[in-house]
Amino acid sequence: GAGVSQSPSNKVTEKGKDVELRCDPISGHTALYWYRQSLGQGLEFLIYFQGNSAPDKSGLPSDRFSAERTGGSVSTLTIQRTQQEDSAVYLCASSSQGQGRIFGYTFGSGTRLTVV
Amino acid sequence: AQKVTQAQTEISVVEKEDVTLDCVYETRDTTYYLFWYKQPPSGELVFLIRRNSFDEQNEISGRYSWNFQKSTSSFNFTITASQVVDSAVYFCALSEARLNKFYFGSGTKLNVKP
Repeated sequence: GAGVSQSPSNKVTEKGKDVELRCDPISGHTALYWYRQSLGQGLEFLIYFQGNSAPDKSGLPSDRFSAERTGGSVSTLTIQRTQQEDSAVYLCASSSQGQGRIFGYTFGSGTRLTVV
Repeated sequence: AQKVTQAQTEISVVEKEDVTLDCVYETRDTTYYLFWYKQPPSGELVFLIRRNSFDEQNEISGRYSWNFQKSTSSFNFTITASQVVDSAVYFCALSEARLNKFYFGSGTKLNVKP
């Protein structure tokens, strides 16, 4: 697609439920990144995909968080047994292979997750 | 260790004033890249500029200018004659040659009042 698409744009869920957040990167972009932005905070790195593999998962805050990418395209971030501290905007970004750190990423508009 | 520091949490100016957003970074790498992104109320981060560590030449693009000084590890962003549409959160970011991830500052919220 023309840009990075994320869905849903907003999600309200009850504490303890599982949620899935979806990211559809720019066509042809092999690198995909997930970041989390808590209210009034900067962006916190979660995970990086190159193709379907995730060489860097260092930012996932707990084992309740997981992500996968299939077909080198769409990625899903899953949060199990959500907690109130998971409330944040989850941003996805993509870039062409190996170039993101040099030329920058293209970000989606994010999914605003609220855990009540 | 914090990689990128944006000490100004929020700045308010009146339209047509000049404003400078500060960014201080920390890295041990000799090759790195610095970025500024704009996040308007819509939420999407918009790329503004990139600088590599070997190019300290300052850049001007319309009302925007950037001052990169390796001696002070700073990469400051100035908006001249600010406009209401400049109101947004601005993020400074650092990437190191070795790693495929950015380190973002906590952002500076700019409010430009008419």
